[in-house]
Amino acid sequence: ETGVTQTPRHLVMGMTNKKSLKCEQHLGHNAMYWYKQSAKKPLELMFVYSLEERVENNSVPSRFSPECPNSSHLFLHLHTLQPEDSALYLCASSTGLADNEQFFGPGTRLTVL
Amino acid sequence: SQKIEQNSEALNIQEGKTATLTCNYTNYSPAYLQWYRQDPGRGPVFLLLIRENEKEKRKERLKVTFDTTLKQSLFHITASQPADSATYLCALRALTGGGNKLTFGTGTQLKVEL
Repeated sequence: ETGVTQTPRHLVMGMTNKKSLKCEQHLGHNAMYWYKQSAKKPLELMFVYSLEERVENNSVPSRFSPECPNSSHLFLHLHTLQPEDSALYLCASSTGLADNEQFFGPGTRLTVL
Repeated sequence: SQKIEQNSEALNIQEGKTATLTCNYTNYSPAYLQWYRQDPGRGPVFLLLIRENEKEKRKERLKVTFDTTLKQSLFHITASQPADSATYLCALRALTGGGNKLTFGTGTQLKVEL
């Protein structure tokens, strides 16, 4: 596989469920990102990891919990979500933090019932 | 407050014409600005980057201009084709105060008709 992959592509969950989104990059990059994309809104940066360390957390509610076990994998653990959390969740990677181009995965379409 | 604005209305043009999309920003000192393409159900794909000291960048049928006085970037697709139909996002990285983030606009949907 090449590029940035995300699983699952679609997820429907109840408000009391716990689930995880997975992102894997095969590009040898050192930085990884989680974004949220809601209809009619710009991409919102949620978390940034560089060399497996979290370097940015943009006031994201604690019901979203990221994990970066190594530079190739990034997870987003979800629990007790709200219907307004329904969105497309995108993972991206880049060579380094200051680098120019971000490579995005296809996203996970999340629906919270 | 800081804002990045793109025309939220879809742009419909005829095949073969030049499409011009606009990105305006306020209260930013940009280091650079990027343009991405996003197709339905897919993640954005990087197209072009232009730095604050550059006026224009080209790549094949694409051209980006950057006017830091007007606080505006224009994105042009010449000889447009139906395959160019997508949503185009601009994203800006600030010189200071932006942390490690790219800030995105909401995107403009382009439809190229036969």
